Amino acid sequence: ILNVEQSPQSLHVQEGDSTNFTCSFPSSNFYALHWYRWETAKSPEALFVMTLNGDEKKKGRISATLNTKEGYSYLYIKGSQPEDSATYLCAQRNTGNQFYFGTGTSLTVIP
Amino acid sequence: DSGVTQTPKHLITATGQRVTLRCSPRSGDLSVYWYQQSLDQGLQFLIQYYNGEERAKGNILERFSAQQFPDLHSELNLSSLELGDSALYFCASSTSDRGRAGELFFGEGSRLTVL
Repeated sequence: ILNVEQSPQSLHVQEGDSTNFTCSFPSSNFYALHWYRWETAKSPEALFVMTLNGDEKKKGRISATLNTKEGYSYLYIKGSQPEDSATYLCAQRNTGNQFYFGTGTSLTVIP
Repeated sequence: DSGVTQTPKHLITATGQRVTLRCSPRSGDLSVYWYQQSLDQGLQFLIQYYNGEERAKGNILERFSAQQFPDLHSELNLSSLELGDSALYFCASSTSDRGRAGELFFGEGSRLTVL
């Protein structure tokens, strides 16, 4: 069982601020790193899937980077908006095709 | 709409009882994953099936079992229920088994309350 850790656990930012969260994971048996966005009363939705060391992905104001050698990924949100409020989950998929999730970072964007 | 369907959405039952949660994956997805989310816990991986076969096991209790049927729908059976089994149970499906870093598509979850 992998220990995927996310920090901070929760975050409150003002509208317009940029922010970032961290996901750390064991590098052994790494296959892919996933980021999911989970809004209250909905189900998690995939944001990014990254596989290669140095990968960077971007979708609008949200981007992510991956460092498989040191076992971390960052998620960045530029110019946060209230609709960005959600829990952001990362998950490591290992070579055994198991997905292990962190406990998430809960983001609240204050208008 | 992720295309993954879970039933029932809500279920209230008593300790000692048995329940079955059902999941229909997205059309074409062969992999089905089950996760448990308890209060203040993250998503705990329970079990994965691919095309009818068990592929991986996580923190699944012996009182729990699952299967995937030829039509690819999956069922999670929870027996001898305890208060601590109260949780949100998610099913997710994926197109890939190995060889592609496919994302997971989640259902809306089945909320189980054991009284």
